[in-house]
Amino acid sequence: EPEVTQTPSHQVTQMGQEVILRCVPISNHLYFYWYRQILGQKVEFLVSFYNNEISEKSEIFDDQFSVERPDGSNFTLKIRSTKLEDSAMYFCASSARTSGGLQETQYFGPGTRLLVL
Amino acid sequence: AQSVAQPEDQVNVAEGNPLTVKCTYSVSGNPYLFWYVQYPNRGLQFLLKYITGDNLVKGSYGFEAEFNKSQTSFHLKKPSALVSDSALYFCAVRSIPDSWGKLQFGAGTQVVVTP
Repeated sequence: EPEVTQTPSHQVTQMGQEVILRCVPISNHLYFYWYRQILGQKVEFLVSFYNNEISEKSEIFDDQFSVERPDGSNFTLKIRSTKLEDSAMYFCASSARTSGGLQETQYFGPGTRLLVL
Repeated sequence: AQSVAQPEDQVNVAEGNPLTVKCTYSVSGNPYLFWYVQYPNRGLQFLLKYITGDNLVKGSYGFEAEFNKSQTSFHLKKPSALVSDSALYFCAVRSIPDSWGKLQFGAGTQVVVTP
């Protein structure tokens, strides 16, 4: 069964450093997402991406964050200058499109646990 | 604005007994409703969804959920719980007019099934 994959599984970085989290969505999917889950808190939406551009972003997704689909398979989340409060589990998700133009179920990857020291 | 409430932080049930995990929602417009399960150190696994049609939705691993529009609820149920069902369960909602699909998650309910 196709699945969303994410690398790395764990990332430790120093405050102020740049990190890039990578995701390979399910191959025929067209909508891509990043969510995060701070330890002990709920899963929060960060950004959605469709047709090579951001379609929606949350207030969390400030200028320090960016997303990119550099090729036909990868979807990346970059944090330019990490802060302590960026420590969280980051989930990538993807979904297909129905014949009616609506989205299908979002399927999530296993996550990248980011720790900012 | 859309929101989801899972009123129970934890549900304890004995193996073989029925399991219910509660979820209520608030959206403008008609809802798409989802249940996901998270095992330790794993991602979110899709269990089931309600889009339209029959209010009783059947999903993976013997789970089902009932959509109740008047009570704005979407409780997850399993007739006979297994120890392996012990995990963190999330209810999520998005509003149909929202074409970009942002999911709003509840806080999660920890299910503990004891042998």
